[in-house]
Amino acid sequence: EDQVTQSPEALRLQEGESSSLNCSYTVSGLRGLFWYRQDPGKGPEFLFTLYSAGEEKEKERLKATLTKKESFLHITAPKPEDSATYLCAVQAISGSARQLTFGSGTQLTVLP
Amino acid sequence: SAVISQKPSRDICQRGTSLTIQCQVDSQVTMMFWYRQQPGQSLTLIATANQGSEATYESGFVIDKFPISRPNLTFSTLTVSNMSPEDSSIYLCSTGGGTDTQYFGPGTRLTVL
Repeated sequence: EDQVTQSPEALRLQEGESSSLNCSYTVSGLRGLFWYRQDPGKGPEFLFTLYSAGEEKEKERLKATLTKKESFLHITAPKPEDSATYLCAVQAISGSARQLTFGSGTQLTVLP
Repeated sequence: SAVISQKPSRDICQRGTSLTIQCQVDSQVTMMFWYRQQPGQSLTLIATANQGSEATYESGFVIDKFPISRPNLTFSTLTVSNMSPEDSSIYLCSTGGGTDTQYFGPGTRLTVL
C-alpha cells in the first residue's frame, strides 16, 4: 500500500526565515511525486511534479527536490502570502488509473 | 492546465437527504476523480470516473452511497446519498486526462445537520 508522511504538521516562520518541509513516501513504483498548495476553503493548487531522484524544480521562493525515499519543499525568504497548507502526493506506476495518494499536509504560517 | 468548476460551492443539508455535486471541465478529459476531504484531514480518493464505463470505487466507498455519472468527456456528477453528519466534508473533483498532473476544482463544502 502506498503511503505518504509529511512533517512537520505545522510550521510557523517569521517573514524571511527560510525552512524546509518534508515528504517521506513508500510506493511500489513511483510514477511521480506532486506538491500542491491549498488555501482555506479552496481546492489544491498544483505546484510541482518530480519524476526521478535528483530532480529539482523551482518556482519563485519554492524549490522542490526528490530522493528515492523523500521529497523536500524548500521555502526561501518566505512572505506572509506563502501561508497555506502544502500537500504532497504520490502516483504509482502500477494500475491503469492515475490516482494520487496524499499526505496529511504541512500547515505553514508566515508571520510579518 | 484544465479549468474546473463545481456546483454547488457549499450546501447545508438535512440528515437522510441526498445531494448531487456537478463538476465541469473546460476541455475533454479521459479520467476524472472524486475526492473527499474531511475537516482537518487530507484528501481521500472516493472513485475514478471514466467516460463510457462504470466508476471504480476505492476501499470503503460504495456505489449505493456515492453514485457517479460521467455522461461525456467534460462533465461528471457525484451524489452523496442518505446523508448523515459524518458525510460533512469538502468534496473535490479533479482531472487526469492524458497527463500525470491532476488539477482540482474549488470544492463543494457540505454540512449535514
